[in-house]
Amino acid sequence: QVQLQESGPGLVKPSETLSLTCTVSGGSVINNNWWSWVRQPPGKGLEWIGEIYLSGSTNYNPSLKSRVTISMDKSKNQFSLNLNSVTAADTAVYYCARLVVVPFPNGFDLWGQGALVTVS
Amino acid sequence: QSALTQPASVSGSPGQSINISCTGTSGDIGAYNLVSWYQQHPGRAPKFIMFEVNKRPAGISGRFSGSKSGDTASLTITGLQPEDEADYYCCSYAPGSLSLFGGGTKLTVL
Repeated sequence: QVQLQESGPGLVKPSETLSLTCTVSGGSVINNNWWSWVRQPPGKGLEWIGEIYLSGSTNYNPSLKSRVTISMDKSKNQFSLNLNSVTAADTAVYYCARLVVVPFPNGFDLWGQGALVTVS
Repeated sequence: QSALTQPASVSGSPGQSINISCTGTSGDIGAYNLVSWYQQHPGRAPKFIMFEVNKRPAGISGRFSGSKSGDTASLTITGLQPEDEADYYCCSYAPGSLSLFGGGTKLTVL
């Protein structure tokens, strides 16, 4: 079955760039889904960050758009998140997730286990 | 786009039914039947439990049901069980291909 796994540094300094990668196993990123990032600050709710399609098309949360880049490496079956100019407010558990679109966005049916990133 | 509005907490006794509301606007929940719900236990990733307002993914108990009226969607859980105690989040599609989450509701099974 398809599984998602986040990886990357758990500690990032303020003003630097947060970089995470999501590896898709048991399936391919080359299909009719949008691959997404969602974050959750400690003790708080979920916040959608953005998503990427196999064509390279992206959608971003307007509140983060100026700082976010999501990319895909089809050869490695991975997609990645870069968030620049981070502050303590970006400390969160970052999840990668699969957004099912058949043909409309139905929801995030598959999630990684999450990666805690602390900005300090 | 603002987050969707959910009650901070709800509670119920085993066997009872509870309802969690999720209020948006005429531009998101009111405009599309693309509301999904997630259950999250402490320290775990969210779990997909409802899509397109009232459709359950495979393997999700029939005790979970969804509905929508106007700009408000609702999740109902009947026959409450101790393992239902968790945080619940709604999510809606919004114009511009955005996804909006609610602030989350903590369900306590008394």
